[in-house]
Amino acid sequence: DAGVIQSPRHEVTEMGQEVTLRCKLISGHNSLFWYRQTMMRGLELLIYFNNNVPIDDSGMPEDRFSAKMPNASFSTLKIQPSEPRDSAVYFCASSLNNLSNQPQHFGDGTRLSIL
Amino acid sequence: ILNVEQSPQSLHVQEGDSTNFTCSFPSSNFYALHWYRWETAKSPEALFVMTLNGDEKKKGRISATLNTKEGYSYLYIKGSQPEDSATYLCASYLRSNDYKLSFGAGTTVTVRA
Repeated sequence: DAGVIQSPRHEVTEMGQEVTLRCKLISGHNSLFWYRQTMMRGLELLIYFNNNVPIDDSGMPEDRFSAKMPNASFSTLKIQPSEPRDSAVYFCASSLNNLSNQPQHFGDGTRLSIL
Repeated sequence: ILNVEQSPQSLHVQEGDSTNFTCSFPSSNFYALHWYRWETAKSPEALFVMTLNGDEKKKGRISATLNTKEGYSYLYIKGSQPEDSATYLCASYLRSNDYKLSFGAGTTVTVRA
């Protein structure tokens, strides 16, 4: 299995532009997690899905952020409009299910820089 | 303890020496404790998931123990090698975080040859 695949690996864009991050889950996994990593706050959970349904989006910073899971294997995280404070590394992770005893498998992350 | 805390924040180890570090978490309503290894420029990789008090897990030279009653886990590295250099994250499901996985800040281990 190729593991969790994220794209792009790096994104540099100007403030105000729309940014779309993509994630492909490991085949057979039913739970999907989006994280943001910053120096100040470490690894923060933004939102997670179970069986394509958003379960908890309380970590999403504000209305500029949205996430979708149009099918069982793919998810997007969108920022519109983007701001410099959104600059961070965004990780996607998947697990077999959302039970606490299941490890999460992380993608390589998208390093986002908003100028 | 309300959150997941790790100590020390960083440590330096001479190649061949053994080391250990701590993860503390709220012991009430415990569900599971995860350890991840995060190498620079890579993604976090799951090491262990532990659920039972007294659990001990081992993978090669790395092992972990769990005490759910007092709310701590130790990670041990025996005979450290340069390739063990990484940040080690622990994470626990917390009632205070609506039973979502909450990560500690990590312990960054640097093994000197």
